[in-house]
Amino acid sequence: EAQVTQNPRYLITVTGKKLTVTCSQNMNHEYMSWYRQDPGLGLRQIYYSMNVEVTDKGDVPEGYKVSRKEKRNFPLILESPSPNQTSLYFCASSLLGDRGQEQYFGPGTRLTVT
Amino acid sequence: KNQVEQSPQSLIILEGKNCTLQCNYTVSPFSNLRWYKQDTGRGPVSLTIMTFSENTKSNGRYTATLDADTKQSSLHITASQLSDSASYICVVTPLSNDYKLSFGAGTTVTVRA
Repeated sequence: EAQVTQNPRYLITVTGKKLTVTCSQNMNHEYMSWYRQDPGLGLRQIYYSMNVEVTDKGDVPEGYKVSRKEKRNFPLILESPSPNQTSLYFCASSLLGDRGQEQYFGPGTRLTVT
Repeated sequence: KNQVEQSPQSLIILEGKNCTLQCNYTVSPFSNLRWYKQDTGRGPVSLTIMTFSENTKSNGRYTATLDADTKQSSLHITASQLSDSASYICVVTPLSNDYKLSFGAGTTVTVRA
């Protein structure tokens, strides 16, 4: 089954404790992206990647890091989480090429930083 | 200021009734506009996509319209079902960058029996 998976689905952590949220897709998509979703604000892009070893900042990259060492994986790293990073996080992937490629979203990771 | 504004923020309708959701955007020029459905606790799933030259697109009981002159789009749900209870998100792709999308905050639809 074609899908985007994220782990963990739920995470409660404390301020300053480094964490990684994994994202993996099995559709051989070149493009992958991370979003955060907060009430009333909609989805906001954190980072995206056009291919292996190619990443770029989205609209809200502060406090986050990413890496793309393999095509299928795109982990999101919070080196020193803070309470304002409490949010619902989504990973997405799509093909490159023609305009209008649909982004396929993962199930989401709900992160709480205390 | 968000470049994609949706209204209403939420609405409640009775099963079997119709409803229309609105999306106003300032992203210009744009290559396409997409409506996503997001069930509670799930990731968004694409319902329809329209390029700037298209006026309407249907997917079953969902019909999206686009007026590029007024920069407005609407999503009409016909004969609503309980499974239509979800958040509906309008997403605009700028012509300058296919991969930096502008998302609306969504409209939460609740269908009651």
